[in-house]
Amino acid sequence: GESVGLHLPTLSVQEGDNSIINCAYSNSASDYFIWYKQESGKGPQFIIDIRSNMDKRQGQRVTVLLNKTVKHLSLQIAATQPGDSAVYFCAENKDYGGATNKLIFGTGTLLAVQP
Amino acid sequence: DTGVSQNPRHKITKRGQNVTFRCDPISEHNRLYWYRQTLGQGPEFLTYFQNEAQLEKSRLLSDRFSAERPKGSFSTLEIQRTEQGDSAMYLCASSPPRPGMRSEAFFGQGTRLTVV
Repeated sequence: GESVGLHLPTLSVQEGDNSIINCAYSNSASDYFIWYKQESGKGPQFIIDIRSNMDKRQGQRVTVLLNKTVKHLSLQIAATQPGDSAVYFCAENKDYGGATNKLIFGTGTLLAVQP
Repeated sequence: DTGVSQNPRHKITKRGQNVTFRCDPISEHNRLYWYRQTLGQGPEFLTYFQNEAQLEKSRLLSDRFSAERPKGSFSTLEIQRTEQGDSAMYLCASSPPRPGMRSEAFFGQGTRLTVV
């Protein structure tokens, strides 16, 4: 079936280093992808999104890369801080034009930032 | 706090009992979503409202589950005859009306249900 998944369940990095979290998706018809951050006991928080007609998008300290050829999505966090420690989910939306935000989430990657 | 509000935050219930959760979306957000999240997994879509109309339901939403949004504002999710497999975090999200454009979904803190 269609799914969004992550390569690494846990990623441990040193404070100040750059982090890269990867995600694979299977539905080539998906036209919109989002990264969410979820801290313990909280709901997912939007980080950054990208449409399928783009291959890169930058935010503040974060960059999302989309490789449609291999159906791969990545989130890069520059100068990782202890406050970045959380579970990160990639999600796909197959209804961009309708803007319904029906999202299919991957399993998640735990990012642990070591001081 | 003007974000999405969910109540209660935690609920422990005995198997077979009925439970009801409430979600208050961000004001003027016409779209409201319910998701379910089990430990270590990503949220799974359950159902979606546009104003008071329930437009889509996942097959995950069994007959024991019912969601309402009677006035197009707050929503309730009821689970009847709870089972241990219903134990999960139930997340609500809302998004504003932006026709033809992606509108970011804002999530609440969730309601943690434990069925014993």
